Amino acid sequence: AQSVAQPEDQVNVAEGNPLTVKCTYSVSGNPYLFWYVQYPNRGLQFLLKYITGDNLVKGSYGFEAEFNKSQTSFHLKKPSALVSDSALYFCAVRDMDFNKFYFGSGTKLNVKP
Amino acid sequence: DAGVTQSPTHLIKTRGQQVTLRCSPKSGHDTVSWYQQALGQGPQFIFQYYEEEERQRGNFPDRFSGHQFPNYSSELNVNALLLGDSALYLCASSLVEWGETQYFGPGTRLLVL
Repeated sequence: AQSVAQPEDQVNVAEGNPLTVKCTYSVSGNPYLFWYVQYPNRGLQFLLKYITGDNLVKGSYGFEAEFNKSQTSFHLKKPSALVSDSALYFCAVRDMDFNKFYFGSGTKLNVKP
Repeated sequence: DAGVTQSPTHLIKTRGQQVTLRCSPKSGHDTVSWYQQALGQGPQFIFQYYEEEERQRGNFPDRFSGHQFPNYSSELNVNALLLGDSALYLCASSLVEWGETQYFGPGTRLLVL
């Protein structure tokens, strides 16, 4: 069965510091991995995805993610956090066989001035 | 270019009633997926429509049904509402090809009293 785990409910970081939001996955076959961000009372906004190729994926708003096959991880990173990055972040995996998305439980990112 | 739109934005119903939610996909997209996001949780896949047919379905009862129209727009119907159906309902559109990103609408917040 496909699944995604986000081990941290909340991540706190000071503005200007690097941030990491963790995600691990379990899939059969090659994974299609995604990161989305959700602001209060809003839908999900696409940040980036990994399909194949370079393990370091660059996305919107300065975010990037590193795919690590041996550790089955796809951590979201940003070199310098902004207060406006404060939001709920979701990791997702797409099931190749059944065309479904499986989402993690989400990680709340708090960036303090 | 309009993104994914959903209507209504908010809805209040009582137990036992029926509700219909609507979604218009992003221009050029042919596939619509519906998700339920309970408070504090990640989105849960309900079902996906392509070419006016249900392609895949998550673990939701038959009270949840849908439809896709020739213009690719979609409806989600929920019968015999339960208190537990209170959630944010998200629509996502994409192209059918593998690896394509799903783009989400702002959601419809349903409250069942």
